[in-house]
Amino acid sequence: DVKVTQSSRYLVKRTGEKVFLECVQDMDHENMFWYRQDPGLGLRLIYFSYDVKMKEKGDIPEGYSVSREKKERFSLILESASTNQTSMYLCASSSLRKTSGPYEQYFGPGTRLTVT
Amino acid sequence: DQQVKQNSPSLSVQEGRISILNCDYTNSMFDYFLWYKKYPAEGPTFLISISSIKDKNEDGRFTVFLNKSAKHLSLHIVPSQPGDSAVYFCAARTHPPNDYKLSFGAGTTVTVRA
Repeated sequence: DVKVTQSSRYLVKRTGEKVFLECVQDMDHENMFWYRQDPGLGLRLIYFSYDVKMKEKGDIPEGYSVSREKKERFSLILESASTNQTSMYLCASSSLRKTSGPYEQYFGPGTRLTVT
Repeated sequence: DQQVKQNSPSLSVQEGRISILNCDYTNSMFDYFLWYKKYPAEGPTFLISISSIKDKNEDGRFTVFLNKSAKHLSLHIVPSQPGDSAVYFCAARTHPPNDYKLSFGAGTTVTVRA
C-alpha cells in the first residue's frame, strides 16, 4: 500500500512566521504535489516536483516555496505566513510508470494550518 | 478559471437509493477522469476512473458515465450506504506533457440518511 505521511495534522502559527510542512512517501514515486483545499474551491495545486531538485509552479504558488532534496521527501515552505494562508494542506505523490494505473495521485492525511 | 466544475455543493440521499454526482469540464484536452472520495480529517482516496475512449466504467456499487460531446461525467452510487457520506471530488488529466497534473472540481458533499 502506498503511504504518504505529513509531519503535522494540526499547526497554529503566527503571522510573519516561517512555516515548514513536510511530506514523505514510501513508494518511490517520481512526482510529488502540494495542494491546498478550501471550501468551495476544491483542491488547488501550489507546486509540484517531478524529480529531485526539480520543481514547477502550480496554479497558486504566490507566498510559497518548495524543496525536494530526496526523492521521498517534499517540503512546502511559507516564508512569512499570512492569515489568508490558513487552509488544509494536502501532499500527494504519483508514479510516472504507466503500469501503475491512470496516474492517480495518492494523498497524505493533510495538515490543517491556522495562521493567527 | 476552473476547468472542472461540480455545480452541486451538496447532495442528501436516503440509504439504499441512488446517488448521482455530476461534473462538467471545459478543456477538450482532458483524456482521463477520476473520482476521489474524502472523509473529514483524511486525505482524498482514489475511487474510480474512466478513460476518454470509454463511456462507462463500473466497479461494484460505483459507476462513472462519460459524455464527451457534452463534456459531462457523472458518478452513480447504487445502493447508497451510510459509509458513502463524504466529499467527492471530480478530477481530470490532460494529454502529455502535462499529464502528471490533475485539475480538481470544488467537490460535492454527500450525506446518506438512514
